[in-house]
Amino acid sequence: AQTVTQSQPEMSVQEAETVTLSCTYDTSESDYYLFWYKQPPSRQMILVIRQEAYKQQNATENRFSVNFQKAAKSFSLKISDSQLGDAAMYFCAYRSAWSGNTPLVFGKGTRLSVIA
Amino acid sequence: EAGVAQSPRYKIIEKRQSVAFWCNPISGHATLYWYQQILGQGPKLLIQFQNNGVVDDSQLPKDRFSAERLKGVDSTLKIQPAKLEDSAVYLCASSWSVYGEDEQYFGPGTRLTVT
Repeated sequence: AQTVTQSQPEMSVQEAETVTLSCTYDTSESDYYLFWYKQPPSRQMILVIRQEAYKQQNATENRFSVNFQKAAKSFSLKISDSQLGDAAMYFCAYRSAWSGNTPLVFGKGTRLSVIA
Repeated sequence: EAGVAQSPRYKIIEKRQSVAFWCNPISGHATLYWYQQILGQGPKLLIQFQNNGVVDDSQLPKDRFSAERLKGVDSTLKIQPAKLEDSAVYLCASSWSVYGEDEQYFGPGTRLTVT
C-alpha cells in the first residue's frame, strides 16, 4: 500500500518570503500522480499543483512550484512571495495511474502560517 | 460550473444516534468519493462509487456505516449508531472517471461532532 509522509506539522513564513513544504512517499508503482492540496478553515480542499511521475520537468503554477525527485520519492512544494491568503493546511497526496480504483492517499498535512 | 454540494455543514449528535449526510456531485461526474478526515489527519477514503456501483468500500466500517448512490447522481452516507470516534469532517468528492489523470473536486464537507 502507498503511504505519504509530511514531516513538518507546522511551518511559518514571513509575508513576501519563500517557504518549502516537504513530502515523501512510498510506492512500488512506476506511474502515478502527486498532488498538493490546500485546505483553508472553510474546509474546502483546493488543488494547488499536480505532478505526473513520468514527467521529469517540475510542475509550476504561478507562485507555486514543486521539486520532484522520483528516485528519492520526494515531492516538496515551494511557495514564493508568500501572501496572507496562503495560510492554510497543506496536504500532499498520491494517486495511482494504473488502477481503475484510484482514491487519493493523503499525508497528515502541514499547517502554514503567514506572518504579516 | 456548480461545485460539489454537501449538507448539512455541521451536525452534533449524541453517541448511539444515527445521522445522514448528503452529497450532490458536479454534473456529469461518474465517480464519487466519500472521505473521512479526523482532526489532525489527512482525509481517508471510506467508499468510492462509479455511477451507482461500489468500486471500493474496503475501509468503510460496514457494521455502522452505509452509503448509496441512487441513479448514479446524489449520494448519502449514513452512520447508525454513531460512536465518539466518528467525530470528523466528512468530505465528498467527484471526478469524471476513476482514472488518475482526472481531478477530484471536493465539497465543503460536513463536520460531525458526536458527544
